Amino acid sequence: EVQLVQSGAEMKKPGESLKISCKASGYRFTNYWIGWVRQMPGKGLEWMGIIYPGDSDTRYSPSFEGRVTVSADKSITTAYLQWSTLEASDTAIYFCARRDLGDPFDVWGLGTMVTVSS
Amino acid sequence: EIVLTQSPGTLSLSPGERATLSCRASQTVTSRYLAWYQQKPGQTPRLLIYSTSARATGIPDRFTGSGSGADFTLTINRLEPEDFAVYYCHQFEISPHTFGQGTKLEIK
Repeated sequence: EVQLVQSGAEMKKPGESLKISCKASGYRFTNYWIGWVRQMPGKGLEWMGIIYPGDSDTRYSPSFEGRVTVSADKSITTAYLQWSTLEASDTAIYFCARRDLGDPFDVWGLGTMVTVSS
Repeated sequence: EIVLTQSPGTLSLSPGERATLSCRASQTVTSRYLAWYQQKPGQTPRLLIYSTSARATGIPDRFTGSGSGADFTLTINRLEPEDFAVYYCHQFEISPHTFGQGTKLEIK
C-alpha cells in the first residue's frame, strides 16, 4: 500500500526553526515527485514546492521561495519541509503529496499542523 | 504564474440536484494538466478528476469533468449527501503549480 506518513503536530514560537517530515512507503521513492501544500486555517490549498528525490530537482512557488526549504533523503525515503525562522503567519496544516510526471497529486499525507505563537 | 479562479465561491443546492462548478485559468492550460479535488472538513484532499475529464479510481460516474483552453467545469449530477464539500481545481502544467481558491458546495 502506498503511504505518506507525516510527522506530528508542532507548536513553536516566532523566530524558531522547524523541520517536518513525510515518510514514503509502498512505492519506488526516487521515481515520483513529492510536493508540499499549505492550508491556512479555514483557507484553501496553496502549492509551495516540489522535489524529485531521484535527482533532487526542486521547484518552489515564488510565494514561498526563500522562506522554506524542501529536501529529501533517499536512504530513508523521507521528504522534508523546513523553516529557519518561523512567523505567526506560518500557522497552517502542511500536506505532502506524491505525483508522477504528467500526473496530479494522487496520494496525500494526513497533514502536519504547525502552530506558531508567542 | 497561472491563476485559477473558481466560481461560484459557495453553491447551495439540495440532494438530487445538479452542481456546476467553474474554473477559469489566467492562461491556457493543456487538458492533461487540469485536475479536480474534493476536500471535506478535517480530511485530506481527494483526487476526483485528472486530465480534465478522467475519473480517478473509485469516483462515481455522477462526477464529470469537461472543458478546454482556459475554461473548465466540474459537474456533479444527482447530488448525494456525501458530495457536500469544498472542491478545488488544480493545474500542474506550469510551475508554480496552482490551485483555485475553492468552491464550497453546501446543503440548501
